[in-house]
Amino acid sequence: EAGVAQSPRYKIIEKRQSVAFWCNPISGHATLYWYQQILGQGPKLLIQFQNNGVVDDSQLPKDRFSAERLKGVDSTLKIQPAKLEDSAVYLCASSLVGQRNEKLFFGSGTQLSVL
Amino acid sequence: RKEVEQDPGPFNVPEGATVAFNCTYSNSASQSFFWYRQDCRKEPKLLMSVYSSGNEDGRFTAQLNRASQYISLLIRDSKLSDSATYLCAVNKMNTGFQKLVFGTGTRLLVSP
Repeated sequence: EAGVAQSPRYKIIEKRQSVAFWCNPISGHATLYWYQQILGQGPKLLIQFQNNGVVDDSQLPKDRFSAERLKGVDSTLKIQPAKLEDSAVYLCASSLVGQRNEKLFFGSGTQLSVL
Repeated sequence: RKEVEQDPGPFNVPEGATVAFNCTYSNSASQSFFWYRQDCRKEPKLLMSVYSSGNEDGRFTAQLNRASQYISLLIRDSKLSDSATYLCAVNKMNTGFQKLVFGTGTRLLVSP
């Protein structure tokens, strides 16, 4: 079974530039999550989709971050403009229907360095 | 107060030792609990769920104490391959869907 696919694996940009990350969840998974993991910290939920609707984006810095999952399958996360503090690993995860006790499957992540 | 708190460590233990980590959570309405393992520069992977009655999987035992709002992970007979960061995750139901909140992780280093 194919896992959660993410690209690119690494990205280096200068501050104030824009960047976009892509995620393709496991086939059939309705729930998709974007997490930000800063070095030395645990993953922090940025946004959660159920199919193509947003369930939770309370911790998404909406002045610079945006995300979409238009067809309820793959998703993109964009940062515009990037700040130094956005340097982190951006992890995409998916689960079957988003219910209690469901296992999350994570992608390998995109490591972003903002210089 | 953070929603989920862990001692970041590192915990340095010799092979064969028994080591235990705790994780406290602030929301008494939290409904399910997990331990994830994260190797260096890798994604988190589910290690085990934590049930009210406690559960065991080989050398790993997870327990939940709702009264004191903490969960624990016990690793017996530590192996070199157990070296990793162990993330505690607590589930809050949010508009009918789970919202998983992670702790900062506890780093374990097992030495020969």
